[in-house]
Amino acid sequence: GAGVSQTPSNKVTEKGKYVELRCDPISGHTALYWYRQSLGQGPEFLIYFQGTGAADDSGLPNDRFFAVRPEGSVSTLKIQRTERGDSAVYLCASSLLAGGLGTDTQYFGPGTRLTVL
Amino acid sequence: GENVEQHPSTLSVQEGDSAVIKCTYSDSASNYFPWYKQELGKRPQLIIDIRSNVGEKKDQRIAVTLNKTAKHFSLHITETQPEDSAVYFCAASRRGNYQLIWGAGTKLIIKP
Repeated sequence: GAGVSQTPSNKVTEKGKYVELRCDPISGHTALYWYRQSLGQGPEFLIYFQGTGAADDSGLPNDRFFAVRPEGSVSTLKIQRTERGDSAVYLCASSLLAGGLGTDTQYFGPGTRLTVL
Repeated sequence: GENVEQHPSTLSVQEGDSAVIKCTYSDSASNYFPWYKQELGKRPQLIIDIRSNVGEKKDQRIAVTLNKTAKHFSLHITETQPEDSAVYFCAASRRGNYQLIWGAGTKLIIKP
């Protein structure tokens, strides 16, 4: 079946603007994750959803960042008043069922490259 | 919290030789250790993972070993090929947790 998809693939915006990044997880996956990856580094956890609720948003850097998943499928990461330091690749991942006795494989989308000028 | 260290940052090997990448973790409660391969501009892709109830796992030319006592795990690639060139990331997470903590990555270069 289809993998995780993300739109747009690239987003260029000006400092101070608002942006929305979209993630479409694998059908049937209940868990959804957002990560941020800067050049030359590993992904950095931002937020995790189990169903519609944000189970853990401890990785969000500040209150300019917010994410929703209203119907338990598609998720949108929202960034207000963008800053140059927000420039990075934003990765979304999904897994079948998180937690329990183990950890399920996370499948990643292609990412959205955000550039703040 | 968990901390994952990965070495080396860059590894250059002759085509056909073996490559070994090592990671250490700090949280003894971690029980899941995936390895991802990321080609330039592409998404991370899982290549192999291991859980703490086993010490070794193999998949064709790729193997992962885990030493729970020493809290380290390693990726082994045998008979390396040009298409193995990429950045490899290790990660760790705790039982019942979902948050992957990642190493900094190893850039693997396969010389022809």
